[in-house]
Amino acid sequence: AQTVTQSQPEMSVQEAETVTLSCTYDTSESDYYLFWYKQPPSRQMILVIRQEAYKQQNATENRFSVNFQKAAKSFSLKISDSQLGDAAMYFCAYRSGFGNEKLTFGTGTRLTIIP
Amino acid sequence: GAVVSQHPSWVICKSGTSVKIECRSLDFQATTMFWYRQFPKQSLMLMATSNEGSKATYEQGVEKDKFLINHASLTLSTLTVTSAHPEDSSFYICSARGGGMTSYEQYFGPGTRLTVT
Repeated sequence: AQTVTQSQPEMSVQEAETVTLSCTYDTSESDYYLFWYKQPPSRQMILVIRQEAYKQQNATENRFSVNFQKAAKSFSLKISDSQLGDAAMYFCAYRSGFGNEKLTFGTGTRLTIIP
Repeated sequence: GAVVSQHPSWVICKSGTSVKIECRSLDFQATTMFWYRQFPKQSLMLMATSNEGSKATYEQGVEKDKFLINHASLTLSTLTVTSAHPEDSSFYICSARGGGMTSYEQYFGPGTRLTVT
């Protein structure tokens, strides 16, 4: 079974600074997807960024980028120019590429933005 | 993007009663819907996956007779918590994927907070 581990329960960053959230996963599959979701106080899950395992290039979405290290099974999220609206719980998630659409989530990292 | 709604957003019920939570895809046909449970300050745990017109597939440890899932149409799935107990109090979130969407897309509803007294 696949597992997703987020070792940082809480992180904080000064507004406009850069922060990196860590995520590691364990799988024996070769084809899979990785995601970062944001859950603000409203509890609405919002997709931040995704990475296909077969792609070597790290995904980027505006201020959000990932460092995908497939051999190390590591998938960290970097948030640049942090904004107050970035404050939320961030969940790393894994999905198999072999038909099973189940998302396996990590335990989350609570990100606080310091004005 | 695609929109998924849930109703009610919060509900309080007495122990022993049943409560139904609706999940609707508003602007697409959801061939697959997922139900998650989230305890306070914890992660989302998948409860079951349902495909329109067929029986739901439950995750290990989830009581299918207690958590009844019906996906009767392409825009509606319901989760019924039967004979609710205080330990069923939680935040329930659904997500949905449309038939024409890429396989990795899932759109989440805003969640339903259930409190059993």
